[in-house]
Amino acid sequence: AQTVTQSQPEMSVQEAETVTLSCTYDTSESDYYLFWYKQPPSRQMILVIRQEAYKQQNATENRFSVNFQKAAKSFSLKISDSQLGDAAMYFCAYLSIQGAQKLVFGQGTRLTINP
Amino acid sequence: ETGVTQTPRHLVMGMTNKKSLKCEQHLGHNAMYWYKQSAKKPLELMFVYNFKEQTENNSVPSRFSPECPNSSHLFLHLHTLQPEDSALYLCASSQEQGGRDTQYFGPGTRLTVL
Repeated sequence: AQTVTQSQPEMSVQEAETVTLSCTYDTSESDYYLFWYKQPPSRQMILVIRQEAYKQQNATENRFSVNFQKAAKSFSLKISDSQLGDAAMYFCAYLSIQGAQKLVFGQGTRLTINP
Repeated sequence: ETGVTQTPRHLVMGMTNKKSLKCEQHLGHNAMYWYKQSAKKPLELMFVYNFKEQTENNSVPSRFSPECPNSSHLFLHLHTLQPEDSALYLCASSQEQGGRDTQYFGPGTRLTVL
């Protein structure tokens, strides 16, 4: 079974600076999808960024980018020019395209933005 | 944020009550999901419906009973729950349960079992 590990329960960053959230996963599959979701306080979870494992190029969405290291099974999220609205729980998730195709989540990282 | 809606947003119930959670998606999707989010634990998938058919039951106790009358609506019927069932219950939907589709989440129902 696949597992996703986020080793940083909490992170903080100064407004306008850059922060990197870590995620590692364990799988024997060669093709899969990885996601970062953001869950602001008392608000719903929204997709931040998505990466297809067969693509070597790292996904980017405006200030959000990933560092996908397939061999190392690492999928970190970099947030540039941090804004107060970035404060949230961030979840890394793995989606298998085989079998039951279940989305497996990490434990989450709580990101605080300091003004 | 209005693509997937859930009601009620908050629910307090006793262990002997029967209640239902409702989820509705306005995205034209065909797959719907129930997740449980407990404090300090990863989100746990509970049930998956694809084209109204249940395709996944992740060893969920029978006191949770899902219902999917059509592709837009998903219910979770609750009866004789335990205090440890208190959690945030999230509904999600995707185009299909096909591996390549992003799941979109609702705001959740915060359930407290007394």
